[in-house]
Amino acid sequence: QSALTQPPSASGSPGQSVTISCTGTSSDVGDYSYVSWYQQHPGKAPKLMIYEVTERPSGVPDRFSGSKSGNTASLTVSGLQAEDEGEYYCSSYAGSNYFVFGTGTKVTVL
Amino acid sequence: QVQLQESGPGLVKPSETLSLTCSVSGVSISSGDYYWSWIRQPPGKGLEWIGYIYSSGSIYYDPSLTSRLTISSDTSKNQVSLRLTSVTAADTAVYYCARLLGSGLALDYWGQGTLVTVSS
Repeated sequence: QSALTQPPSASGSPGQSVTISCTGTSSDVGDYSYVSWYQQHPGKAPKLMIYEVTERPSGVPDRFSGSKSGNTASLTVSGLQAEDEGEYYCSSYAGSNYFVFGTGTKVTVL
Repeated sequence: QVQLQESGPGLVKPSETLSLTCSVSGVSISSGDYYWSWIRQPPGKGLEWIGYIYSSGSIYYDPSLTSRLTISSDTSKNQVSLRLTSVTAADTAVYYCARLLGSGLALDYWGQGTLVTVSS
């Protein structure tokens, strides 16, 4: 399984929105609604931000939202805040009990 | 409160076996709709799936590691273990254990990770 494709970087000023794409294939992102997103700060474990494409776990601000169209999933962070800076990874179920992560996107708050 | 804690040697010699343990508290690894997973992250790189074990004992490995990998559980100690044989420098990474929800197929709880370096 190849990694899902994400842009290496994304940025925005405080209060603005940033959208990160996650492109897979018809065998993973395009075939299942099991796309999740993780935020990782340097030296820390990843944190679940979105699951099942659009669902937010308890405690995750509603500034974070997810969507999917065809083979591409997206994470949007609205009203950017300084603490949103970090690395973001998507993940998708790929069938036959396999999962795949995205390549990661570094989000910078300008 | 669910907590996961990885433990094991931080340095392993090439061609030898890497062994890690994930101690779980706050939930029984043998109950519920959960997959107890291992993920790794090479220094400066992205996340990689390794494999996972279901609460019933079913085990799944990433195809790229199947020949070298063993994941097991000890329900009496509430621990999950990883064993990777014939390691090379490419296996140097931070190794995380995490809980995968069976209903949403997402990793909702993670350990803090442990760095394993493969070097002579």
